[in-house]
Amino acid sequence: EVQLVESGGGLVQPGGSLRLSCAASGFTFSNYWMHWVRQAPGKGLVWVSRIKSDGGSTIYADSVKGRFTISRDNAKNTLYLQMNSLRAEDTAVYYCARDGVDTIDFDYWGQGTLVTVSS
Amino acid sequence: QSALTQPASVSGSPGQSITISCTGTSSDVGGYNYVSWYQQHPGKAPKLMIYEVSNRPSGVPDRFSGSKSGNTASLTISGLQAEDEADYYCSSYTSSSNYVFGTGTKVTVL
Repeated sequence: EVQLVESGGGLVQPGGSLRLSCAASGFTFSNYWMHWVRQAPGKGLVWVSRIKSDGGSTIYADSVKGRFTISRDNAKNTLYLQMNSLRAEDTAVYYCARDGVDTIDFDYWGQGTLVTVSS
Repeated sequence: QSALTQPASVSGSPGQSITISCTGTSSDVGGYNYVSWYQQHPGKAPKLMIYEVSNRPSGVPDRFSGSKSGNTASLTISGLQAEDEADYYCSSYTSSSNYVFGTGTKVTVL
């Protein structure tokens, strides 16, 4: 059974940093592209970042470019999101999601971790 | 990248059919067959319902179907059931090699 479990969320002050983790199990993690998607309270889904299977290629939404860094450790079956220079508008539930097999979609999602940026 | 446009809400009675539209541009929905649809119940993670415009993952009921014409994709739920009440989001790959979601549609079963 595919499982994605996020952790690392919490309350952080504006300008602060936080690192999210997503532990993957039930599939060969190193074969899949992975994403981070966020959802502000009461709002819609917003794609944040994607990393290819070997970690060699990454891409970001304009709203987080230069502040967030996606990475992965295939030996530990774990995806990361390093978030720096956090702003109030980064407050959201952050989901990790797996990219589909031979297609482009988000076929499995974690339960999400809440990040709150507030003083 | 602007969000794809969806109606804020759609409603129907049990057994009826409803359709949710998802309008983008030639740089996303119109340019690729990588349109997918997600169902999200309150407090839960999204669930993939349709991929590549019209394909259903294993386990998704066949009352869910997808289509696309030009820059607009659509999700149809036939034989609406109480458990279909949820938020629905479309998503598309884009010409910038990134991804965009729709604004979301709240489906209410009357």
